[in-house]
Amino acid sequence: AQSVAQPEDQVNVAEGNPLTVKCTYSVSGNPYLFWYVQYPNRGLQFLLKYITGDNLVKGSYGFEAEFNKSQTSFHLKKPSALVSDSALYFCAVRVPAVRKLIWGLGTSLAVNP
Amino acid sequence: SQTIHQWPATLVQPVGSPLSLECTVEGTSNPNLYWYRQAAGRGLQLLFYSVGIGQISSEVPQNLSASRPQDRQFILSSKKLLLSDSGFYLCAWSVSRVTEAFFGQGTRLTVV
Repeated sequence: AQSVAQPEDQVNVAEGNPLTVKCTYSVSGNPYLFWYVQYPNRGLQFLLKYITGDNLVKGSYGFEAEFNKSQTSFHLKKPSALVSDSALYFCAVRVPAVRKLIWGLGTSLAVNP
Repeated sequence: SQTIHQWPATLVQPVGSPLSLECTVEGTSNPNLYWYRQAAGRGLQLLFYSVGIGQISSEVPQNLSASRPQDRQFILSSKKLLLSDSGFYLCAWSVSRVTEAFFGQGTRLTVV
């Protein structure tokens, strides 16, 4: 079965420190990978995507993610966390033959001042 | 630029009452449209998706239905709400099945 895992329910990091939010996937075929952020009681906002090409993808608000095919991972990173980055982060994957996105369960990021 | 509108933002409805949530997209043609439900602030469950007018695919059998009467309009309905229908409902659109989806601001539905 095709799936996406976000192994950490919650990540805590101090402001100014680097942050990583993990995502691994299990799909057949070449995946298209996405990261979204959700603030309380709001819709999801698209951050970045990997379709093909360079494994390091840069996105909105200083976030980046690295596609690692051998480890089937697509971890979200930021060099220096801000308190305003505190939110719920979702990883999603799409396989070209399938119309829908497969979603992870989300990771709650708390950045402490 | 493209925008997506979803309303209302909040809704409290009694058990057994009907439901109609509306979503419209501006600035694009023939979008793929989606309705999701998010329970307890966590995982997203795809309820319906549509690739064109009148074309609706249901992902999970339940008390809800969806319709697409116009190219950029997507409606989520129920004839009789259940307590278990409470949740955060999100509409989204994408250009194609391989591109990212863009979400509306969501509707918080509480069935009492």
